[in-house]
Amino acid sequence: AQKVTQAQTEISVVEKEDVTLDCVYETRDTTYYLFWYKQPPSGELVFLIRRNSFDEQNEISGRYSWNFQKSTSSFNFTITASQVVDSAVYFCALQRLNNNDMRFGAGTRLTVKP
Amino acid sequence: EAQVTQNPRYLITVTGKKLTVTCSQNMNHEYMSWYRQDPGLGLRQIYYSMNVEVTDKGDVPEGYKVSRKEKRNFPLILESPSPNQTSLYFCASSPRARQETQYFGPGTRLLVL
Repeated sequence: AQKVTQAQTEISVVEKEDVTLDCVYETRDTTYYLFWYKQPPSGELVFLIRRNSFDEQNEISGRYSWNFQKSTSSFNFTITASQVVDSAVYFCALQRLNNNDMRFGAGTRLTVKP
Repeated sequence: EAQVTQNPRYLITVTGKKLTVTCSQNMNHEYMSWYRQDPGLGLRQIYYSMNVEVTDKGDVPEGYKVSRKEKRNFPLILESPSPNQTSLYFCASSPRARQETQYFGPGTRLLVL
């Protein structure tokens, strides 16, 4: 069975702090995709990153970075020097390659205070 | 502009009154799907469609119907809405059914009284 766990329900930080959002997944598939989406207060889902299970290289995009560790089934997301505009709910998701079956975590609500 | 659109964006209705939420994409995508988002549960798939006239149940299909008569549209039908269907609904599409990133619509907030 596929499952995604985001153990942190809510996180609150002060602007400029670094923050890491945890994501742990379960799957029997050997190949799959992992995603992070951002949902700002306006409600839409904003795609942040897709990572193929073949590629364990960490990725950095501006203040965002992702640490994928297949050995621990984790795909953590770090925001460096957080800003108020980073306040949102962040979802981690796992997708099977054969049929687009996508499982989301429950989400982590990040609040960045000025 | 490439996009997935949903209508209406907000809807308040009463128990038992049939409603349809439309979803349309202009990207010629084969795959479309519907999700509902509930607090503490993330997004759960309701139905998906691999192509025209091909639909299948997701994780939480009870109380919903869909149809895929043309490639661009994938309406979600609630024949007899109930309060437990109060939720935020997202439509998504991707070019094909496999190995593709899904693009999400803006969401529809539904309140069933």
